[in-house]
Amino acid sequence: EVQLVESGGGLVQPGGSLRLSCAASGFTFSSYWMSWVRQAPGKGLEWVANIKQDGSEKYYVDSVKGRFTISRDNAKNSLYLQMNSLRAEDTAVYYCARSLGESPVFDYWGQGTLVTVSS
Amino acid sequence: SYVLTQPPSVSVAPGKTARITCGGNNIGSKSVHWYQQKPGQAPVLVIYYDSDRPSGIPERFSGSNSGNTATLTISRVEAGDEADYYCQVWDSSSDRLFGGGTKLTVL
Repeated sequence: EVQLVESGGGLVQPGGSLRLSCAASGFTFSSYWMSWVRQAPGKGLEWVANIKQDGSEKYYVDSVKGRFTISRDNAKNSLYLQMNSLRAEDTAVYYCARSLGESPVFDYWGQGTLVTVSS
Repeated sequence: SYVLTQPPSVSVAPGKTARITCGGNNIGSKSVHWYQQKPGQAPVLVIYYDSDRPSGIPERFSGSNSGNTATLTISRVEAGDEADYYCQVWDSSSDRLFGGGTKLTVL
């Protein structure tokens, strides 16, 4: 059974940093593109970043470029999101999601971790 | 940048057919994917590549895409189908892009 379990969320002050983790199991993690998708309270879904199987390609939504870094450790079956210079508008539930093959489709999602940026 | 437009809400009686639209400029030339999200839960893929259904998704869920509108159709609607539904495409300028979501209410 595919499982994605996020952790690392919490309350952080504006300008602060946070590192999210996603532990994957039930599939060959190193064979899949992985993404982070976020959802602000009461709002819709927003793709944040994705990373290729070997980490050689990474893409970001414009609003987080230069502040967030996606990475992965295939030996540990883990995905990460380093978030720096956090802003109030980054407050959201952050989901880890697996891509269906080489497609932009998200076929499995974690339960999410809440990040709150507030003073 | 590309924009996907969904109605904020759709209401339907149990047993009837719900149609949720996703509008975009020449969206028929793109592949559209649909997700269901129930309150407090993670999204679930219900339709991909316009009309394909993942295993475990009931045949009551179907999709179509043509011109400037993609449609998610839910036949014989049940109370358990009440949820938010999001369409999604890939666009060269926006990468993975979601619509604003539609809240389906079962009357």
